[in-house]
Order: sequence, then structure tokens, then C-alpha cells
Amino acid sequence: EVQLLESGGGLVQPGGSLRLSCAASEFIFNNYAMNWVRQAPGKGLDWVSAISGSGASTNYADSVRGRFTISRDNSKNTLYLQMNSLRAEDTAIYYCARALTNTLRDYFDYWGQGTLVTVSS
Amino acid sequence: EIVLTQSPATLSLSPGERATLSCRASQSVSNYLAWYKQKPGQAPRLLIYDASNRATGIPARFSGSGSGTDFTLTISSLEPEDFAVYYCQQRSNWPPTFGGGTKVEIK
Repeated sequence: EVQLLESGGGLVQPGGSLRLSCAASEFIFNNYAMNWVRQAPGKGLDWVSAISGSGASTNYADSVRGRFTISRDNSKNTLYLQMNSLRAEDTAIYYCARALTNTLRDYFDYWGQGTLVTVSS
Repeated sequence: EIVLTQSPATLSLSPGERATLSCRASQSVSNYLAWYKQKPGQAPRLLIYDASNRATGIPARFSGSGSGTDFTLTISSLEPEDFAVYYCQQRSNWPPTFGGGTKVEIK
């Protein structure tokens, strides 16, 4: 069974930084694009960023472009999200989600359990 | 950005009843639309992709239809585990966007 396990969330002050990780297992990691999707408390889903299977292509939501960086280490089957200049509106559960294929713009067929990021002073 | 509008916001039904959920796109997304189910405290789960294809392991009581701007998710006979929030998502244009959700609650 595909498994995605996020870590790295926590409480951070506005303007601070955090790096999220997502450890993947039970599938050929570099065959799939990967994504981060977030959900503010009590709200809907919001796509954040995507990366291709090789890591060569990435894309970002306008709300995080220039502040967040997605990356992956295929030798470690791990996805990352480096979040800088954090704002209160970035407070959310961050989910790691596998794309249905290796297409950058895709659906999300497996999700992790999520990691909570809280931006507050 | 393509805006997806889901209706109704809340659907109150009894187990065994048929549920019909709607998702309308602000411009055509062809058939590039998916449906997800999310229960409280859990991650979303993919139900339907490309408007009408059931994802792996999804029961036949879930079906999707539509193309262009108007889409429907139908649950033919509600089981207790189907009471949840349902989201639609398009992958036609950047960025991928989600609808605001429909909560299916027990009447």
C-alpha cells in the first residue's frame, strides 16, 4: 500500500521559516509527480505546489511563489517544501499528495495524513 | 484561475437515499474534473477522475458525469460511511483548483 508520511510542521512566528518533509514508500517514487496541498482550519483545499518525477519541473500557487520552494530527493524517496517569509494566512494542514501520473497538472490519488503549520506570534 | 462552485453547500439525507452533488466551472474544463471525499480528521480520498472514471477501490455506487462547465457526482444509495464533505477539482488550467465543498450530512 502506498504510504506518504509528512513531518516538520509546528508553530512558527510570522516571517519565519519551516521545512516540511514527506517520506514516500511502496511505489516507484521517481515515476510520479508530487504535490503539496493545504487546508486552513475549517476551510477547503488549496493546491500549493507541484514537482515532476525527475524534479526538473516545478510550479507554484501565486500566493506562495517566491516564498516556498518544492524539491525532492529521489534517492531518499522524500519530498520537501521549504517555506520562508511565513504569514498568518499560511496557517494550515499541509498534505503531501501523489499525482495520478507523472503529469505536473494532475489529480491526487494518494495523500499523507498531513502536518499542521501554525504561523503566529 | 478557474473557479469551481459546488452546490448545495449542505445536503441532508438518510442512509439508502440517492445523493446528487453539483460542481460548476467558471469556464470549460473539458472532462478534466475529479471528485474527492473527506471525512473529519482524515485526508481527502480520490473518488472519480476525468469526470466519470472511478478511482481504484471506489464502489460502484459512486458515479460521475458531465463535461465542459457542469458536472455531477451521484451516490446511488448512501451508506453510513458516505456522510462526509465532497470536493471537486479541475486540472484543465493552472493552477489546479478545488470547489468549496458539499457536506453530506445525516438527516
